[in-house]
Amino acid sequence: GAVVSQHPSRVICKSGTSVKIECRSLDFQATTMFWYRQFPKQSLMLMATSNEGSKATYEQGVEKDKFLINHASLTLSTLTVTSAHPEDSSFYICSANRHDLAKNIQYFGAGTRLSVL
Amino acid sequence: QQPVQSPQAVILREGEDAVINCSSSKALYSVHWYRQKHGEAPIFLMILLKGGEQKGHDKISASFNEKKQQSSLYLTASQLSYSGTYFCGTEEVRNDYKLSFGAGTTVTVRA
Repeated sequence: GAVVSQHPSRVICKSGTSVKIECRSLDFQATTMFWYRQFPKQSLMLMATSNEGSKATYEQGVEKDKFLINHASLTLSTLTVTSAHPEDSSFYICSANRHDLAKNIQYFGAGTRLSVL
Repeated sequence: QQPVQSPQAVILREGEDAVINCSSSKALYSVHWYRQKHGEAPIFLMILLKGGEQKGHDKISASFNEKKQQSSLYLTASQLSYSGTYFCGTEEVRNDYKLSFGAGTTVTVRA
């Protein structure tokens, strides 16, 4: 199977601090990864597409200076929430795209619950 | 464009069947189905490509009618383990890789 690891699973931080979340594809290479935000009992909202070796593509309304994405290798993408505020508290989930027999399938990490005090 | 899922929620007894629908106003290249349990990552169930194909995963199957831009997920003889929130993800452009997810359908299976 395709395994995606996301770390940390939970983080509590003070307002104004920065938080880094890591997303790793453990048994396949992923040139494309995605970052989502999910509010309670709601759907997955795409924040940005992370491309290995190039700049991330952000969805409309997502501040790129607020949510820094780095995809430095074929197995690792990081999301840094800079100067976090209580409104940034949410469940963040990453996925890694695996290309397999002409099909593109996203495999998800377990998510990171961010609480900003 | 976010696809529309229905129903929002369904409650079943073990052994009963259910259908979850997903429709889009856009032409679709593929439809992906996931199940998410509370506080966990969405788990990939199946992908359906253009061609009207049906796929199966144990007693969970799905169909895709690309002319109507609709997909349906069929839960047959439901088990307790089927409980969770089901999301459809739609891919509009081939090799764009991006998915738009529906609002989800919460399925509760009771003994």
